[in-house]
Amino acid sequence: AQSVTQPDIHITVSEGASLELRCNYSYGATPYLFWYVQSPGQGLQLLLKYFSGDTLVQGIKGFEAEFKRSQSSFNLRKPSVHWSDAAEYFCAVGAREYGNKLVFGAGTILRVKS
Amino acid sequence: NAGVTQTPKFRILKIGQSMTLQCTQDMNHNYMYWYRQDPGMGLKLIYYSVGAGITDKGEVPNGYNVSRSTTEDFPLRLELAAPSQTSVYFCASTPDSTDTQYFGPGTRLTVL
Repeated sequence: AQSVTQPDIHITVSEGASLELRCNYSYGATPYLFWYVQSPGQGLQLLLKYFSGDTLVQGIKGFEAEFKRSQSSFNLRKPSVHWSDAAEYFCAVGAREYGNKLVFGAGTILRVKS
Repeated sequence: NAGVTQTPKFRILKIGQSMTLQCTQDMNHNYMYWYRQDPGMGLKLIYYSVGAGITDKGEVPNGYNVSRSTTEDFPLRLELAAPSQTSVYFCASTPDSTDTQYFGPGTRLTVL
């Protein structure tokens, strides 16, 4: 069965520090991957996505993610976190073979301390 | 463009009542989805549709029904509300089966 694991439920970083959010997946097909961000009381906004090609993808708000097939991972990174980055982050995986029925991780809540 | 809109934003139901959550998109997307979000659980797919007149079950369809009579609208029906259906419901759409899903702002439903 397809699954997505985000091992960290909560992460706290200082403003200006670097950030890495982890995402591991188990999938029986060639995956495509997404990172979404959700601010409190809001819907989900796409940060970035990977379908094919260059395994390092750039997204909005200075985020990037790297697809590592050998490790079944798609970790999200940002070199310098801003207080406005505090939100919940979701990794999601889909595949053409499964009709784009995305499987979401449980989410990681990011807190930023000043 | 308004994108994906959902109504109502909030609703409180009594056990056994029924209601319809509305979802409309103005992007002419073929694919539409309904998810529920529970704390610490991420999003779970309830139902989805690949075009008008075509719907299929997702991971957690029990207690829900959907219809898709037009490209724009994808309502979700709760027939006999139960406390287990207390959740935040998100509708999403996408133009292609492999493309980005665009989400609505959500409906927060409480069943008491």
